[in-house]
Amino acid sequence: QKEVEQNSGPLSVPEGAIASLNCTYSDRGSQSFFWYRQYSGKSPELIMFIYSNGDKEDGRFTAQLNKASQYVSLLIRDSQPSDSATYLCAVDTGTASKLTFGTGTRLQVTL
Amino acid sequence: DAGVTQSPTHLIKTRGQQVTLRCSPKSGHDTVSWYQQALGQGPQFIFQYYEEEERQRGNFPDRFSGHQFPNYSSELNVNALLLGDSALYLCASSLMGYQPQHFGDGTRLSIL
Repeated sequence: QKEVEQNSGPLSVPEGAIASLNCTYSDRGSQSFFWYRQYSGKSPELIMFIYSNGDKEDGRFTAQLNKASQYVSLLIRDSQPSDSATYLCAVDTGTASKLTFGTGTRLQVTL
Repeated sequence: DAGVTQSPTHLIKTRGQQVTLRCSPKSGHDTVSWYQQALGQGPQFIFQYYEEEERQRGNFPDRFSGHQFPNYSSELNVNALLLGDSALYLCASSLMGYQPQHFGDGTRLSIL
């Protein structure tokens, strides 16, 4: 079992729709959860992080965490073509220690 | 406020050679982590440096080594390069004890 799992996609959504990206993790000791956006050929860019169960909203982005189910998700409202990228879920099991990444979900926002 | 800077941007080497990659952390950060990202994969943790010492290491062979300097900048050295070492090498910085980590633009290493 992979430590952090994501559907590789591509996930295709029309412009203006809600994109839902999901991630599961295996280590119950995981404490911090991150979503990075990576455009092709570029480095990962932090867009959201969440530490506690529940929802955290920042603009068009909402991160959701359910530690009991070992599940974290990212919702992107009003999806734009510029949101087309690979979204990486990352988990930290310690205190500012290594990040364990999933393989990423490729999102395509169509016109 | 300067972010994380890495050099060089691209590098081409041949098998068996050695390479050194460099990273300057974001202002105010004291911890540097290195990751390897192969094509189509997520970044894989190589090691982390704090107070000029390697604090944590991922599942990488001893051919991968590093260093952190008093000004918090860091180097990643890879010896006896293999074709499989071709990847994007990412440096991330943070403040020890705190997340999140911020990434530099990476160094694209190609092994011929």
